[in-house]
Amino acid sequence: SAVISQKPSRDICQRGTSLTIQCQVDSQVTMMFWYRQQPGQSLTLIATANQGSEATYESGFVIDKFPISRPNLTFSTLTVSNMSPEDSSIYLCSVVQSRYRQSSFYNEQFFGPGTRLTVL
Amino acid sequence: DQQVKQNSPSLSVQEGRISILNCDYTNSMFDYFLWYKKYPAEGPTFLISISSIKDKNEDGRFTVFLNKSAKHLSLHIVPSQPGDSAVYFCAAGNAGNNRKLIWGLGTSLAVNP
Repeated sequence: SAVISQKPSRDICQRGTSLTIQCQVDSQVTMMFWYRQQPGQSLTLIATANQGSEATYESGFVIDKFPISRPNLTFSTLTVSNMSPEDSSIYLCSVVQSRYRQSSFYNEQFFGPGTRLTVL
Repeated sequence: DQQVKQNSPSLSVQEGRISILNCDYTNSMFDYFLWYKKYPAEGPTFLISISSIKDKNEDGRFTVFLNKSAKHLSLHIVPSQPGDSAVYFCAAGNAGNNRKLIWGLGTSLAVNP
């Protein structure tokens, strides 16, 4: 299975500033995603990080607020721009690998340890 | 609209007994389902999955049951151990939908010694 690391693991930031979160995978992967988990909420997909092209954002998320880079198949960054307290959340990097189990293909998803962001 | 629902936010079970975590879904296009476990300060980790063509999948102490007509799946943990205490997320996907998963809100399981 893919091993994913994220930096920083946590940060406390001031309102109006920006934070860039890094995600490193130990193998080349095609599909890489960024999620967030706000307090008391489930995992929400922010965007799909595409290698060599612009990220694909989910409804409610825009590039100006969450710019994403994907320079190669093992690395991506997510920037949380012009932060407000509402951005306080855990941000998770995730990759998908296809697995063959019990005569079927599954898309198994693996997550990094997350970045816990607190905005004051 | 919550397409994947875990209606019990928490569950408490005695060590050695069975834990049953439930998940309901609304989208009949989902063709595979997964359970993830999450400890505090860690990302979710894959636990077990099931394809829509099956009604049961077993892996050690963990068994997932799928009832397609009821759009319901459940995760059984037998016997429950204190180390199983975590938040369990149900997720559903469609193989043709760019591999995106739809997630439930999670159920926090506490296994008491």
